[in-house]
Amino acid sequence: GESVGLHLPTLSVQEGDNSIINCAYSNSASDYFIWYKQESGKGPQFIIDIRSNMDKRQGQRVTVLLNKTVKHLSLQIAATQPGDSAVYFCAEIKGGGTSYGKLTFGQGTILTVHP
Amino acid sequence: EPEVTQTPSHQVTQMGQEVILRCVPISNHLYFYWYRQILGQKVEFLVSFYNNEISEKSEIFDDQFSVERPDGSNFTLKIRSTKLEDSAMYFCASRSRGEQYFGPGTRLTVT
Repeated sequence: GESVGLHLPTLSVQEGDNSIINCAYSNSASDYFIWYKQESGKGPQFIIDIRSNMDKRQGQRVTVLLNKTVKHLSLQIAATQPGDSAVYFCAEIKGGGTSYGKLTFGQGTILTVHP
Repeated sequence: EPEVTQTPSHQVTQMGQEVILRCVPISNHLYFYWYRQILGQKVEFLVSFYNNEISEKSEIFDDQFSVERPDGSNFTLKIRSTKLEDSAMYFCASRSRGEQYFGPGTRLTVT
């Protein structure tokens, strides 16, 4: 099951390195998977999403990979910068009907980028 | 760039008091949401609202909670009788057809 509480996974990287943040999801019926970035004192900010019928999607400096076989989602950040330091959450969404739009968030990962 | 706004940024209240958290969603959005985040934990869905009615709510959203869109711009979350465990960050979000945009949150502290 999911672990929640004060002990979020952490990832520390040097500026310029590539970062990989992982997430396990539970609902195989989800239609979309989304990565959010949350900086201290702010609300979650959309980074990138991927439909359930895709396995890879690229954005600017970010790539999301989806492995439905093992229910695993990852976010790759290329050339990580100090401004990327934040908590990163994966979220899933099931479209259609009254559940459309409800986000189910996973456990966050704290990313710290050292200059 | 349009953004979701929330007021107040921090609300301190005594246990048993009523609080109203206010949100102004992005103007052309049709779907509205409230989420909460207890310190150090993940963001949790509370309620979604569309076409002037609740479309879905979580187990957390019990009879003490209510939402309202009193006019064309505001979206409010009311907690009738606050409990200590209601202390959290409360985020409003809105969307049109795509992604949800989150506000900066209201930190609710119940003493």
